[in-house]
Amino acid sequence: DAGVTQSPTHLIKTRGQHVTLRCSPISGHKSVSWYQQVLGQGPQFIFQYYEKEERGRGNFPDRFSARQFPNYSSELNVNALLLGDSALYLCASSLDLAGAPSTDTQYFGPGTRLTVL
Amino acid sequence: DQQVKQNSPSLSVQEGRISILNCDYTNSMFDYFLWYKKYPAEGPTFLISISSIKDKNEDGRFTVFLNKSAKHLSLHIVPSQPGDSAVYFCAELIQGAQKLVFGQGTRLTINP
Repeated sequence: DAGVTQSPTHLIKTRGQHVTLRCSPISGHKSVSWYQQVLGQGPQFIFQYYEKEERGRGNFPDRFSARQFPNYSSELNVNALLLGDSALYLCASSLDLAGAPSTDTQYFGPGTRLTVL
Repeated sequence: DQQVKQNSPSLSVQEGRISILNCDYTNSMFDYFLWYKKYPAEGPTFLISISSIKDKNEDGRFTVFLNKSAKHLSLHIVPSQPGDSAVYFCAELIQGAQKLVFGQGTRLTINP
């Protein structure tokens, strides 16, 4: 079975540009979450989507936005890129709404490595 | 604000011995704690979890202990194997906020 897939694997942008990152969840999973991992730190929560609606948002500026499509895939958009946005962006999918831990686990994709120059 | 801390950035253990990774948290609410393992160029992989109503959960070579009075949890790996070399993250699942809060990670190296 295919796991969580993300594209692209690597991306180089310059300051001020816009970027779109894509995620396809595990088949049958309805919830997608996005995390940012900067070097030397643990992943930080950005967004969670469930059934195409935003269900959770982390402490990130409005330059970050996301959406979920009817097939449960998701896009993360970042506008007006800053050097500090350079990080590994991780997508995680779960069967249902994360928060029912006895029945649900978040499975992570390999991530997209974004470098902002 | 919820915080999860892993104070040891790295740990080196001899193959066959026990590896103990530690994690501290600040949140007092009922929550769920998880350990993830991460290899380079891969996403974190779920290892084991524990509910805050329990003190211990075991899965094969992996055991997680939760000390609620000390707000501390630990992951024990025994016996340690070379394939266990990776970065380990502890995380708290914040119910209601629907998010995982991760520690900074501990790089575990198993020496032959």
